Amino acid sequence: QKEVEQDPGPLSVPEGAIVSLNCTYSNSAFQYFMWYRQYSRKGPELLMYTYSSGNKEDGRFTAQVDKSSKYISLFIRDSQPSDSATYLCAIASKLTFGTGTRLQVTL
Amino acid sequence: DTAVSQTPKYLVTQMGNDKSIKCEQNLGHDTMYWYKQDSKKFLKIMFSYNNKELIINETVPNRFSPKSPDKAHLNLHINSLELGDSAVYFCASSESRTGVGNEQFFGPGTRLTVL
Repeated sequence: QKEVEQDPGPLSVPEGAIVSLNCTYSNSAFQYFMWYRQYSRKGPELLMYTYSSGNKEDGRFTAQVDKSSKYISLFIRDSQPSDSATYLCAIASKLTFGTGTRLQVTL
Repeated sequence: DTAVSQTPKYLVTQMGNDKSIKCEQNLGHDTMYWYKQDSKKFLKIMFSYNNKELIINETVPNRFSPKSPDKAHLNLHINSLELGDSAVYFCASSESRTGVGNEQFFGPGTRLTVL
């Protein structure tokens, strides 16, 4: 079983939609999670990190961890065409990344 | 004022050749990394150095040899290149090696194509 799994997409949504991106992880001991955004032909950049359970909000982005189901989510409100990118979840302590979900926000 | 820089950006070479990729960070970080991202966008850790000391050495062919002359630089040398080495190689750095503060800053990547 992979340590972290992510639906590769692609996910296509209209501008203004709420986007939900999800990952599952295998080990309940993992506590520190990160979300990276990667534009085409660029390096990943950190969007948000969360520690243990709960929500963390930053502008239009909310990261959520559900430890009981070993599920991490990234929500994007009022999505914009500039949000079109690949989003990768990561387990910080293992330096393990999900395969990424490609998001396309259309006009 | 680029934080993490890599050279070259593109590298096209023949099978069997030896090549190097260089990485430099000006963030004052202690830890640097090499990742490989394959055609399916899967990003996999290869090596990590902390203050010039190798701390992570994943299952990577020994044709790959990292070198850290100082904590701001981490180079990757690849011997006897194979077709399967074609990928994008990312360098990254972070303030510390574990837990909070382990946010990694990535370079722009080196796109290696082996013919």
